Amino acid sequence: GAVVSQHPSWVICKSGTSVKIECRSLDFQATTMFWYRQFPKQSLMLMATSNEGSKATYEQGVEKDKFLINHASLTLSTLTVTSAHPEDSSFYICSARAETSGGRFPGELFFGEGSRLTVL
Amino acid sequence: AQSVSQHNHHVILSEAASLELGCNYSYGGTVNLFWYVQYPGQHLQLLLKYFSGDPLVKGIKGFEAEFIKSKFSFNLRKPSVQWSDTAEYFCAVTPKILTGGGNKLTFGTGTQLKVEL
Repeated sequence: GAVVSQHPSWVICKSGTSVKIECRSLDFQATTMFWYRQFPKQSLMLMATSNEGSKATYEQGVEKDKFLINHASLTLSTLTVTSAHPEDSSFYICSARAETSGGRFPGELFFGEGSRLTVL
Repeated sequence: AQSVSQHNHHVILSEAASLELGCNYSYGGTVNLFWYVQYPGQHLQLLLKYFSGDPLVKGIKGFEAEFIKSKFSFNLRKPSVQWSDTAEYFCAVTPKILTGGGNKLTFGTGTQLKVEL
């Protein structure tokens, strides 16, 4: 399958700082990327859907000013956790949907390895 | 909105035992169904998916799942598990009619499978 890379894979930061997580599709173009959050022993919860070149669509209850999402190109989306607090500590996972026409994996979804954020 | 329920949170089996993991979903319309697997330290990978047609779907590594529409279920099965099947398994659903949300998956809480030698 195709590869989706997340960076950093883990990060520890102080309360009040901002953290940026990158999600890259390495060998395909992703028109849509999704950001999930996973709490221990719980399901992946969709936070937002980002489409290249447009504003992200956030799920109910997700603060858009706190979780800034930018999808500037067909291979990169970033999630910035602004003014992070300990309750933001979690495992963040992105997935990328390959473009539906052409390419090796039309319309398929691929997941990154996740980024573990710990806020002290 | 759709929801997914996985009843078994932890399953421990011996090698060669048969496996069945339950998955039930709730949604008013037609859906696409998925099973994903996450091996220790790795990313989520697609095991199998059901879109339409034969409700018995075969995936990779000998896994299969059966869609029973009347029961809103999509249980995952494998006749004989191996130690390398130790992983976390997630059932997921997305509405068949997508309204600009792409593959907006809703996941179950996952089942941690441990296969002992």
